[in-house]
Amino acid sequence: AQSVAQPEDQVNVAEGNPLTVKCTYSVSGNPYLFWYVQYPNRGLQFLLKYITGDNLVKGSYGFEAEFNKSQTSFHLKKPSALVSDSALYFCAVRAAGGSYIPTFGRGTSLIVHP
Amino acid sequence: DAGVTQSPTHLIKTRGQQVTLRCSPKSGHDTVSWYQQALGQGPQFIFQYYEEEERQRGNFPDRFSGHQFPNYSSELNVNALLLGDSALYLCASSLGPREQETQYFGPGTRLLVL
Repeated sequence: AQSVAQPEDQVNVAEGNPLTVKCTYSVSGNPYLFWYVQYPNRGLQFLLKYITGDNLVKGSYGFEAEFNKSQTSFHLKKPSALVSDSALYFCAVRAAGGSYIPTFGRGTSLIVHP
Repeated sequence: DAGVTQSPTHLIKTRGQQVTLRCSPKSGHDTVSWYQQALGQGPQFIFQYYEEEERQRGNFPDRFSGHQFPNYSSELNVNALLLGDSALYLCASSLGPREQETQYFGPGTRLLVL
């Protein structure tokens, strides 16, 4: 079975400060990891993915994520937060070579204060 | 280029009724997946359609069924509605069933069962 944990329901950060949204996962074998963002009344938008290769993955809108195999984590980061980054963020995982069905975390609400 | 569209945007039904939700994929996409997102939860995979057939299915009862048409659009049907079926139903499209990671999501249909 595969699972994702997003330990923080909400993350608050001041505009211009770095942000981190945490994600840990459990999967059999090698993981494929993803981050999505959901704005109010909108569907999910793909931000970035880790399949293999460099542990630091760069994605859309200046976001990046760091894969740490020993800690089974895939934290989302951004060096300087914008108010417009305020949204709901979802981490997802699936097993490499598996059924292509991703398992999503419960989501983390990011609030960036002006 | 229109993205993924879903109809209706909102729907109110009573227990025991049946509902049909519709989805048109992004232009050029041939695979449609459906997800249920309960309040405060991440999306849960219901099923995927490709070449007018159900290719993969998540852990949902047979009350949930679907269809894909020759133009790649899709319907999700839910019979004998339960209060617990109240959720945001998301449709996502991709180019091929193995590209779910970079699938495009629609804005969703919010279903309320009374």
